[in-house]
Amino acid sequence: KAGVTQTPRYLIKTRGQQVTLSCSPISGHRSVSWYQQTPGQGLQFLFEYFSETQRNKGNFPGRFSGRQFSNSRSEMNVSTLELGDSALYLCASVRGGSTDTQYFGPGTRLTVL
Amino acid sequence: KQEVTQIPAALSVPEGENLVLNCSFTDSAIYNLQWFRQDPGKGLTSLLLIQSSQREQTSGRLNASLDKSSGRSTLYIAASQPGDSATYLCAVSQETSGSRLTFGEGTQLTVNP
Repeated sequence: KAGVTQTPRYLIKTRGQQVTLSCSPISGHRSVSWYQQTPGQGLQFLFEYFSETQRNKGNFPGRFSGRQFSNSRSEMNVSTLELGDSALYLCASVRGGSTDTQYFGPGTRLTVL
Repeated sequence: KQEVTQIPAALSVPEGENLVLNCSFTDSAIYNLQWFRQDPGKGLTSLLLIQSSQREQTSGRLNASLDKSSGRSTLYIAASQPGDSATYLCAVSQETSGSRLTFGEGTQLTVNP
């Protein structure tokens, strides 16, 4: 079956702009989580959506937001981009339970100039 | 707050060697522990998932153990190959945090031919 897909794979933006990233989970999976990966901070949890509801949220400013659609696809939005937002953004797909294996997409590489 | 530590940060071995990667976590109230592999600039590939009630899991040349009470896990790689070169990450999910994963910083493994 198809894996987790993320679009776009690469993005270049300038400070102050906003960006929207998309994640399509594995078919049948209802939970999508987002992570930010940087060389200095490693992998940090942004938020999790389950059945269109935010179930968990990490310690990121309100500029970072997300949503999930009825088909489980999720989008993540970052407004007023800062240089420090440059990172690899990964989404993870889970069937639903907290004990299930998480499957990650290839990521979106965001560069903020 | 859960903290995950991985030792060593980097490891270089000759091909054919057996090796052990270590992971420790501070809060033993976990649902499960997952080991991932990440190639440069890529997403994460799930290797093994150990539920909190399990002691070990095996997949091919990989064996992961979990000692929940002491907050430790090890990933054993037998007969290492150059294709095993990657960063290995461990992550835990908490009983109180749904599917949210807390990651270690990773061990960068290089297997030399």
